[in-house]
Amino acid sequence: KQEVTQIPAALSVPEGENLVLNCSFTDSAIYNLQWFRQDPGKGLTSLLLIQSSQREQTSGRLNASLDKSSGRSTLYIAASQPGDSATYLCAVVFSGSARQLTFGSGTQLTVLP
Amino acid sequence: EAGVAQSPRYKIIEKRQSVAFWCNPISGHATLYWYQQILGQGPKLLIQFQNNGVVDDSQLPKDRFSAERLKGVDSTLKIQPAKLEDSAVYLCASRMGGTDTQYFGPGTRLTVL
Repeated sequence: KQEVTQIPAALSVPEGENLVLNCSFTDSAIYNLQWFRQDPGKGLTSLLLIQSSQREQTSGRLNASLDKSSGRSTLYIAASQPGDSATYLCAVVFSGSARQLTFGSGTQLTVLP
Repeated sequence: EAGVAQSPRYKIIEKRQSVAFWCNPISGHATLYWYQQILGQGPKLLIQFQNNGVVDDSQLPKDRFSAERLKGVDSTLKIQPAKLEDSAVYLCASRMGGTDTQYFGPGTRLTVL
């Protein structure tokens, strides 16, 4: 069964700290991997998308890496701010899945002022 | 560019009642998805449409859930009769053909009492 796992389920850090969120997936045959942000009462916002041929993507203070062979991805957030507080979801499009997203259960991040 | 619209935003019903959700995707997006997100979990795909045809409904509980996308634009998701375990956020997403990014609506939060 193709699954996506995110650990930890929740994380609290002081403002200004650099942090890493982890995502693992069970099948290395993937089409792409995406990181989303979800704020309470709102939909999902795509942060970064990494194609299977890529190793990393960067946007501002965010950097996402992909290691297909080990079935892992990380989302690095530099110099965290209270406004980064949200739930971060990792989603994988497995090969042959008609571009369907399989989501992890998310990491709820709280950045303390 | 207008985003994905969903209504209603919130709905409270009693078990065994019926309910319907509406989604208007981004203009020109041929692919439309409905997801169910139970509290503390990642979204789970219920059904995927390509224009007005169903691509995948393998995870849709067809004894009580139905969905349609008439004319390949708007879509409705219906639950009849509702059960307590249907309490969740129902998310609609759309994607333009040939691209990888899904755009999500704000969701409908359903509470079944």
